Amino acid sequence: ILNVEQSPQSLHVQEGDSTNFTCSFPSSNFYALHWYRWETAKSPEALFVMTLNGDEKKKGRISATLNTKEGYSYLYIKGSQPEDSATYLCALGGGADGLTFGKGTHLIIQP
Amino acid sequence: KAGVTQTPRYLIKTRGQQVTLSCSPISGHRSVSWYQQTPGQGLQFLFEYFSETQRNKGNFPGRFSGRQFSNSRSEMNVSTLELGDSALYLCASRSGLAVQETQYFGPGTRLLVL
Repeated sequence: ILNVEQSPQSLHVQEGDSTNFTCSFPSSNFYALHWYRWETAKSPEALFVMTLNGDEKKKGRISATLNTKEGYSYLYIKGSQPEDSATYLCALGGGADGLTFGKGTHLIIQP
Repeated sequence: KAGVTQTPRYLIKTRGQQVTLSCSPISGHRSVSWYQQTPGQGLQFLFEYFSETQRNKGNFPGRFSGRQFSNSRSEMNVSTLELGDSALYLCASRSGLAVQETQYFGPGTRLLVL
C-alpha cells in the first residue's frame, strides 16, 4: 500500500503572500504525480501531472516541482488571492490501484 | 466539451438497502474510475473500468460493484448498505490508460445511510 503524505494539513496565509506545501511519497516504483485543487461543493480540478525527476510546471501563479529520487513534490502559490482558498491534493498515479491520494493541504487565504 | 457528470447528486438510504450511482464521462473518454471520500480516510480508489472491463479494484468488500456500458457510461452499485458507506462518491474519466493522463473528476454523489 502506497503512503502519500501531505504537509501541512492546513495553512492560513495572508492575501498577497506566497506559500508552498509538500507532498511526500515512496521513491520506488514511481510513475506519475498529480496535483488537484478542490474547492468546496465543486469537482476536484486537475492542476498538473508530473512524471520526470526535476520536472517543473506552471499555471498562472501556481507552480510545482518534482523530485522522484527523494520522493517529494512542492506546490507553490505566488501572491495568494482569496480564490486560491481550497484543498490541494496530490496523488500518485500509474499503479494498479488507481490514484493514491494524500489527505490534502487545506489552504485558507485571509484578506 | 461537457465535463464529467454524476447522478444523483444527493441520496439518502437506510441500512440494508442497495444503491446505484451513475457517471457519464467526458465524450471520447473510455476509462472511468470511482473513488470514495470520507472525512477520516480521504479519497480512496474503488475500481476502474476501461472498454467495459474492470481493470483493477481497490480494497473494498464485494458489496461494492460496478459496470461500464458500451458508451463508456458507468454505474456503481452498493448492496446491503451500512452506516459506514455514508460518503462522497466521485467518478473520474480519462481518455486512455497512460500514466501521465489527467483524470477529470465529476462533482460527486453524496450518499447518506441512516
